[in-house]
Amino acid sequence: VQLVQSGGGLVQPGGSLRLSCAASGFTFTTYWMSWVRHVPGKGLEWVATINKDGSDKYYLDSVKGRFTISRDNAKKSVYLQMDSLGVEDTALYYCVRIVIVVPPTSTEFEPWGQGTLVTVSS
Amino acid sequence: IVMTQSPLSLPVTPGEPASISCRSSQSLLHSNGHNYVDWYVQKPGQSPQVLIYLTSYRASGVPDRFSGSGSGTDFTLKISRVEAEDVGIYYCMQGLQNPPTFGQGTKVEVK
Repeated sequence: VQLVQSGGGLVQPGGSLRLSCAASGFTFTTYWMSWVRHVPGKGLEWVATINKDGSDKYYLDSVKGRFTISRDNAKKSVYLQMDSLGVEDTALYYCVRIVIVVPPTSTEFEPWGQGTLVTVSS
Repeated sequence: IVMTQSPLSLPVTPGEPASISCRSSQSLLHSNGHNYVDWYVQKPGQSPQVLIYLTSYRASGVPDRFSGSGSGTDFTLKISRVEAEDVGIYYCMQGLQNPPTFGQGTKVEVK
């Protein structure tokens, strides 16, 4: 069971980035997926969640309208499109599988991807 | 829901027990009888990994020296005998309501 992330990097304020996460070792279509970030000097912060078929999406209030989570079940991948980035979005972003979901509850986030650093700076 | 951990720093002696507390701003008890609290650890240089889910269920592969307990708004992670490999930052997380929220983290260091 593995999640391998790609994307990220340095971007100017107002810019865009797309993060990707490729899953392997489990039946991707049977799991909800999330993105969680680790802000420097702070702790972990949930960012977004998508359900099994991509029809339901949930976002942290501060990223609503700017970030879009999506998935391609044929490619076993989940994505995070980040637009209108601000310095406050600088963080290490993790892709993570949610093992147990009965909306609105969720528990057992496992595994986590290796993390992708997003730096927003001029 | 705000999750508050204590202590934020925990020096430990190998072989000795250790305990981390997590308090939530509202009850995490669901009508199904489960309290929706997970515990995660982020070891140096690694991604977070789950230790405990639904308050007291050990995740696959987690040593039995780790245990979780609590109900309502007060939860505890206990390590019965700390080992050197247990150093890292420990987080509690509530999954009862969206958005899932994490505690500030407790840094466990070996004395």
